[in-house]
Amino acid sequence: QLQLRESGPGLLKPSETLSLTCTVSGDSSSGRGYYWGWIRQPPGKGLEWIGNIYYSGSTYYSPSLKSRVTISFDTSKKQLSLHLTSVTAADTAVYYCVREGIHYYDARVDFWGQGTLVTVSS
Amino acid sequence: QSVLTQPPSVSAAPGQKVTISCSGSTSNIGTYYVSWYQQVPGTAPKLLIHDNIKRPSEIPDRFSGSKSGTSVTLGIDGLQTGDEADYYCAAWDSSLSAVVFGGGTKLTVL
Repeated sequence: QLQLRESGPGLLKPSETLSLTCTVSGDSSSGRGYYWGWIRQPPGKGLEWIGNIYYSGSTYYSPSLKSRVTISFDTSKKQLSLHLTSVTAADTAVYYCVREGIHYYDARVDFWGQGTLVTVSS
Repeated sequence: QSVLTQPPSVSAAPGQKVTISCSGSTSNIGTYYVSWYQQVPGTAPKLLIHDNIKRPSEIPDRFSGSKSGTSVTLGIDGLQTGDEADYYCAAWDSSLSAVVFGGGTKLTVL
């Protein structure tokens, strides 16, 4: 069974860079054939898609975050990474690592990590 | 304001049927597949419906999806107290080149 586990700092100061890693286990394909991505959820609010990446490296990002976000996938380590620069309190959220479909337009997330809360506060 | 529009809340009694709507436009629902997710507070969302109408094998057939034009509907039959959760629709939007979510609908089983 595929498992996704997020890790990274839970507390950041404004203007710092958010860096999260997601370790993929139970997947024999080394990530091939699927899009992998990040979705976040501010406390008490709805889901927000951040972006995704194909194992070959092609990426799609939310227009509202595109200038600050980078998603990468290390197939040899089976690790998905998220970097979000210049964070503010508005970036406080639970961040989920996800596996999406085989097409970038699927909007289908069939595996989710447990989520990790990142708080931005001075 | 979300690109996909859902009612903030719906409610129904145990055993009844409820529907949750999700409306969009030709750049998202009208052209691309929609997925539905269930999120019990404090847990990660779970995929209920994909490709507008398909259920993962572990999802009971009490859950169904339908589509008409630029709107989709999630149906939940034989409501159970365990169905109380937030429900989200999602689709690709070609104008934004991004996945967009509805604002979510809170289901209360009275």
